[in-house]
Amino acid sequence: QSVLTQPPSVSAAPGQKVTISCSGSSSNIGNHYVSWYQQLPGTAPKLLIYDNNKRPSGIPDRFSASKSGTSATLDITGLQTGDEADYYCGTWDYSPSAGRVFGTGTKVTVL
Amino acid sequence: QVQLQQSGPGLVTPSQTLSLTCAISGDSVSSNSAAWAWIRQSPSRGLEWLGRTYYRSRWYNDYAVSVKSRITINPDTSKNQFSLQLSSVTPEDTAVYYCARDQWDQDWYFDPWGRGTLVTVSS
Repeated sequence: QSVLTQPPSVSAAPGQKVTISCSGSSSNIGNHYVSWYQQLPGTAPKLLIYDNNKRPSGIPDRFSASKSGTSATLDITGLQTGDEADYYCGTWDYSPSAGRVFGTGTKVTVL
Repeated sequence: QVQLQQSGPGLVTPSQTLSLTCAISGDSVSSNSAAWAWIRQSPSRGLEWLGRTYYRSRWYNDYAVSVKSRITINPDTSKNQFSLQLSSVTPEDTAVYYCARDQWDQDWYFDPWGRGTLVTVSS
């Protein structure tokens, strides 16, 4: 059961922008860095963003992210059909059920 | 380039032990700057972190509270791999299981992930 809340789905036309939110609390996002993962259909998750806003090599700058307080946001600009995937945020949580936690996931659809 | 190769059975009988292995290439299970994790994914529970092992002068393990009484993650330095054992499984343990390297920069993140193993718990 995820403790980080994301919208179930977002959509936009090719070339447009989508924004995915990740809402948490002071026991997780509020005191830790956030990472983001892209899961294309039938594949394993892939790192997209780490340390709130850093892109690994090979990830285009169309993907950007930020964090403010207990929420984080992933932006995808210049949307492409290949961006259709599920996107997850992740971080630590130091509540009694401590450990690594993930968001509920957001399905991005390119119209 | 780090690659993770998973192996293990796709079908486990209820009450038995689930066992998976993750072979590492391009890095070392004894790395002082990484940890090695297991994560599972199911429609009902989403992505769920299970635990990790790492070496910092000695071996450490962190386990999720939800499975702490049933889980063991062990490194195998001779084969540069690590394993997952989950005992007393029930159908609720049916999921795709992933291994992943847990990397540190200013905080921890998973990169890369293994391809995943679908494990079904059924008689």
